[in-house]
This record gives sequence, structure tokens and C-alpha cells, in this order.
Amino acid sequence: RKEVEQDPGPFNVPEGATVAFNCTYSNSASQSFFWYRQDCRKEPKLLMSVYSSGNEDGRFTAQLNRASQYISLLIRDSKLSDSATYLCVVKGNTGGFKTIFGAGTRLFVKA
Amino acid sequence: EAGVAQSPRYKIIEKRQSVAFWCNPISGHATLYWYQQILGQGPKLLIQFQNNGVVDDSQLPKDRFSAERLKGVDSTLKIQPAKLEDSAVYLCASSLITKGRGRLTTNEKLFFGSGTQLSVL
Repeated sequence: RKEVEQDPGPFNVPEGATVAFNCTYSNSASQSFFWYRQDCRKEPKLLMSVYSSGNEDGRFTAQLNRASQYISLLIRDSKLSDSATYLCVVKGNTGGFKTIFGAGTRLFVKA
Repeated sequence: EAGVAQSPRYKIIEKRQSVAFWCNPISGHATLYWYQQILGQGPKLLIQFQNNGVVDDSQLPKDRFSAERLKGVDSTLKIQPAKLEDSAVYLCASSLITKGRGRLTTNEKLFFGSGTQLSVL
């Protein structure tokens, strides 16, 4: 089983749609969780951190369910500029705080 | 603030040749990471340094890959000899270490360089 697994995608949605991505992780001792965004041929960039209480940043909402070892990202009112690959990231809390990326989910937002 | 610098931007070599990549992290960032990203996949952690010590290299193919971070600043990643399946983008990232409540913790945000795109023919 992979340490971090994501919906394979791609997701093709029209502008204005709501889309949700899921991610599961295998190490129950993981402590920190994030969503990164990666545009085509660019480096990944932090989109938002994920907390147990859930957090929201504009049109983006992230949720963490520790019991199910599950992370989600919800994008409301999709924009063309949201087209990218969304990477789920999990970090441990011991040793060197090993940071593991999922394979990513591709999103295409169409006009 | 200067970002993470990597060079070269592109490299094309033949199989069995050697290649080296260089990374200069953001000033003051103690943690440095090398990731391999094959087309269509997520970044795979190869090695993680904290200052000049290795904290994880469990996925580094040590028979052909090596990395060092002398003096805890710049880092080089070497492949010798290269194989066709090594074709990928090699990403370097760095992050801060902060001290809070009596213990060290890493800053959450990884800053990535632009990467080196390696093609092995």
C-alpha cells in the first residue's frame, strides 16, 4: 500500500463547479498534512495546510479525518486558473519529519 | 528574498554516463530535500538533510545515486551510471527549522527550486 494515495483523476469540470479531491494515508502517526498545487512544468507550491478542525481559504476548504486517515480538498466556484495538479502531502513528527507526496490529481476547468 | 536555486535547468545524457545536480537552498533553511518527479507522478523523496546530516535516504538507489551537503548549505546530487528510467525532473526544496516549546520542529512550508529536467537517452 502506498503511503499517500489520491484520486487518480483527471477531473474535468466547467467553470463555477464545485469539485472535491480525496486523499488517504497509511501511517497513523503522521502529524502534519498539506495540499500543494503544481502547474504544468512548474514546481509544487503550498496551497494550504490541513487541520482536524478543518480550514477554509476563500474558495478552498480542507478537511482532515484522523480516525479514517483521510484528507479532502473542496474547491467551490471553480475558475479556469484552478486548472493544475493538486498534491496531497503528509509529514511525520519523528526523526527528520519525512515529507511524502501523493501522486497528484489533475484538474481541468473548462470555460 | 532569494528562492531555492538549482542548476542546470536541463540535462541530456546517454545511459551509463554520470551527471550531477546542484542546489542552493534559501539562506537559513536547515532542512534540504531532493525529490525525483517522473512525468505523471508525484514527487518521490530521495533524500532529506537536516544541516549536513542525512535524516532519511530510504528511497535513494544507493548503488547509483549519491548526495552530499557539505557545510550544511549547498547540496549536490549525483547519478553514476545513469539509466533510462532515471529520466525525470529532480526537485530540490528547503524548509526552516524552528524551536518551540522546548523542541525542534520543521516549518510546514517547503520552498521548491525550478528543478533540473534530466533526459537519459
